[in-house]
Amino acid sequence: NAGVTQTPKFRVLKTGQSMTLLCAQDMNHEYMYWYRQDPGMGLRLIHYSVGEGTTAKGEVPDGYNVSRLKKQNFLLGLESAAPSQTSVYFCASSSPTSAHNEQFFGPGTRLTVL
Amino acid sequence: GEDVEQSLFLSVREGDSSVINCTYTDSSSTYLYWYKQEPGAGLQLLTYIFSNMDMKQDQRLTVLLNKKDKHLSLRIADTQTGDSAIYFCAEVRSGFQKLVFGTGTRLLVSP
Repeated sequence: NAGVTQTPKFRVLKTGQSMTLLCAQDMNHEYMYWYRQDPGMGLRLIHYSVGEGTTAKGEVPDGYNVSRLKKQNFLLGLESAAPSQTSVYFCASSSPTSAHNEQFFGPGTRLTVL
Repeated sequence: GEDVEQSLFLSVREGDSSVINCTYTDSSSTYLYWYKQEPGAGLQLLTYIFSNMDMKQDQRLTVLLNKKDKHLSLRIADTQTGDSAIYFCAEVRSGFQKLVFGTGTRLLVSP
């Protein structure tokens, strides 16, 4: 049982390049989330999904797209990377039937945009 | 305001108690959480408190909730060097399991 995994762990992009971050969970969770973590700002929700085939915007969605084609995977895409997207990205998942709504986090992806 | 607020830094000596404070915003939050982030890792749920409780104790951890002032605190007794980490409080905003996190408090425990 690996929990929540993220690939890649690190990435350096040039401005304007595109990339996709992959999140996978093996806990059969309905809900999945993408956050970004910046110094002094905590975690901010980018997009989330309440089930396969559904996505919704979070607090800071601009410049990102997501897809949830399979229940276990949640992809975060950057079509044209900008230096402001330099951050650590965390994926999380949770179950709507959880007693206290715990979210389980992946180890993070550190992205640098030059 | 809309932000969940925490002080950014706390330094204590090993064996002392640590108290990390948080001010949240949504009075209808059903649960409030403390997550721990160790260096280079993701967040792990440390403890939580249901909104109808004032206090919750779990081994070395004590969570206090003051709903009137929207104030949450985490006390760690007999703090150890392994407790050095960033601690985030989080609230559930109404309607969904969306968590809103505080800015995080970096706890440094010195021997």
